[in-house]
Amino acid sequence: GQSLEQPSEVTAVEGAIVQINCTYQTSGFYGLSWYQQHDGGAPTFLSYNGLDGLEETGRFSSFLSRSDSYGYLLLQELQMKDSASYFCALNNAGKSTFGDGTTLTVKP
Amino acid sequence: GAVVSQHPSWVICKSGTSVKIECRSLDFQATTMFWYRQFPKQSLMLMATSNEGSKATYEQGVEKDKFLINHASLTLSTLTVTSAHPEDSSFYICSARSPGDFYEQYFGPGTRLTVT
Repeated sequence: GQSLEQPSEVTAVEGAIVQINCTYQTSGFYGLSWYQQHDGGAPTFLSYNGLDGLEETGRFSSFLSRSDSYGYLLLQELQMKDSASYFCALNNAGKSTFGDGTTLTVKP
Repeated sequence: GAVVSQHPSWVICKSGTSVKIECRSLDFQATTMFWYRQFPKQSLMLMATSNEGSKATYEQGVEKDKFLINHASLTLSTLTVTSAHPEDSSFYICSARSPGDFYEQYFGPGTRLTVT
């Protein structure tokens, strides 16, 4: 099977940079995705790493190292609206297995 | 981006009754849709993969006779919770992939089901 581990909670201040780590165990996968979910809302896609390395999308960047079974999501210039849950997910033939999520709280 | 809708957004039903939830892709054709359930403060648990024109593929531990999935067209998949019980109360979310996207899933807004 597949499993992913993320920190349950992270707190940071407005304007700061925060990194959310994700370690995983799997026998094979195509890539690692990141999703954001606000309370009561639907998850929205943030980023995808099919290859090792860094992917940058505006204030968000994501990194993958297959040799270390590790990835992270980097959020820069934090804003209050970034307070949400963030999920990493392993993508395998179009199907995704989600981690338990990290609740990010951004404080003024 | 692609839009996925769900209906209803919330529903309350009595124990023993059945509830149908619709998932529609509004501006693209989705050959594959996914159904998840999510308990408060927990992760999304994949229940089944819905393929247009064929039987759904259920994840281990999900009762296919209780959670009936029908993917009748390229834009509509339905999930019917049969003989609902209070423990079925949850947030049900569908997602869809457009043919051109291999990894990105577009999620519907979710349906909050409460069984009394």
